[in-house]
Amino acid sequence: AQSVTQLGSHVSVSEGALVLLRCNYSSSVPPYLFWYVQYPNQGLQLLLKYTSAATLVKGINGFEAEFKKSETSFHLTKPSAHMSDAAEYFCAVRKSGGGADGLTFGKGTHLIIQP
Amino acid sequence: GAGVSQSPSNKVTEKGKDVELRCDPISGHTALYWYRQSLGQGLEFLIYFQGNSAPDKSGLPSDRFSAERTGGSVSTLTIQRTQQEDSAVYLCASSRDSQFEAFFGQGTRLTVV
Repeated sequence: AQSVTQLGSHVSVSEGALVLLRCNYSSSVPPYLFWYVQYPNQGLQLLLKYTSAATLVKGINGFEAEFKKSETSFHLTKPSAHMSDAAEYFCAVRKSGGGADGLTFGKGTHLIIQP
Repeated sequence: GAGVSQSPSNKVTEKGKDVELRCDPISGHTALYWYRQSLGQGLEFLIYFQGNSAPDKSGLPSDRFSAERTGGSVSTLTIQRTQQEDSAVYLCASSRDSQFEAFFGQGTRLTVV
């Protein structure tokens, strides 16, 4: 079975500072990995996805993530935080095997941007 | 439609009543998923449809929960004899089978009183 672990339920950074949200995965097969963002009272929006092509994946809103097999990690970064980045971020891995499909999500990280 | 549409957006029901939640996926998307989001449990997978069949129902929490999909399009999630612990936001997503970029609806907030 596949799973993801997000380190830190809350992360606070200053506006203009580097954003780093951590995600580690567990998978017995090459994983498909995703980062989603959820703004208050809204559904989830895909930021970026890794599907075994380039290990450095660029997404929307200036976010990117690097797949590191040796570290089983898929951390999300953004060089300079904006106030509008304040939201809940979810790392997810695609389920696979035995007819299964869908996403297994981490617990989420609430990103707080300090002015 | 342009996106995944869910209705109602909010539902308040009395304990013990049945509820139906509806999801209209993006036109042409063959895969459809239901998830539940609650404070205590985070985002949980419930069920996956490919066309009208459900190869993966592993996330349905009890036999009070059921879902169907008709015409390869609209899906309904039914919760019978609702309990307070069923209170959550129920999210629907759809994707084209080969692409697997899942698009989410705004969700239905269910409150059981």
